[in-house]
Amino acid sequence: AQSVTQPDIHITVSEGASLELRCNYSYGATPYLFWYVQSPGQGLQLLLKYFSGDTLVQGIKGFEAEFKRSQSSFNLRKPSVHWSDAAEYFCAVGGLDMRFGAGTRLTVKP
Amino acid sequence: GAGVSQSPSNKVTEKGKDVELRCDPISGHTALYWYRQSLGQGLEFLIYFQGNSAPDKSGLPSDRFSAERTGGSVSTLTIQRTQQEDSAVYLCASEEAGGSYEQYFGPGTRLTVT
Repeated sequence: AQSVTQPDIHITVSEGASLELRCNYSYGATPYLFWYVQSPGQGLQLLLKYFSGDTLVQGIKGFEAEFKRSQSSFNLRKPSVHWSDAAEYFCAVGGLDMRFGAGTRLTVKP
Repeated sequence: GAGVSQSPSNKVTEKGKDVELRCDPISGHTALYWYRQSLGQGLEFLIYFQGNSAPDKSGLPSDRFSAERTGGSVSTLTIQRTQQEDSAVYLCASEEAGGSYEQYFGPGTRLTVT
């Protein structure tokens, strides 16, 4: 069965610093991979997704993620974090059988 | 257009009571999912509806949980004989046909069992 691991429960970065959130997955076939963001008091919003093709995908709000099949990873990155990026981030794998990771809470220091 | 809506936004109930949570998906979306989000944990898959197919109930934690989707639109998640461990945010998401697999989430219902 598919599963997703987000090793970091909580990450703190300074505003303007770079960010990388880790995601590892287990899936029996070529995975569909997603990152969602949940801002305080709001619903989940899709940041980006990977289905096939270029392994580096661009998303909204300046985020990108890279699919590495050999490492079963789909890490989320942003070159310069803004205070408004403070939120919970969820990695997900699958299609109709979508499964989510436990989430990584991002705190941004001024 | 209108997004996914859920009601009520908050529900406080006494242990042992039954509760019903409602989800109105985006019009025309054929797939509907229910998840549970407990404090400090990720999204736990509960149940999935796709068109007229039999729902995937593999995530329901016990037989106290059930869900219906009437007319391929509105869905109701029912929890019978609620327990304190049922306290969580219950999220609903819908997805359009065609294989985009992008789920649109509602704001959730926060359930507190006292």
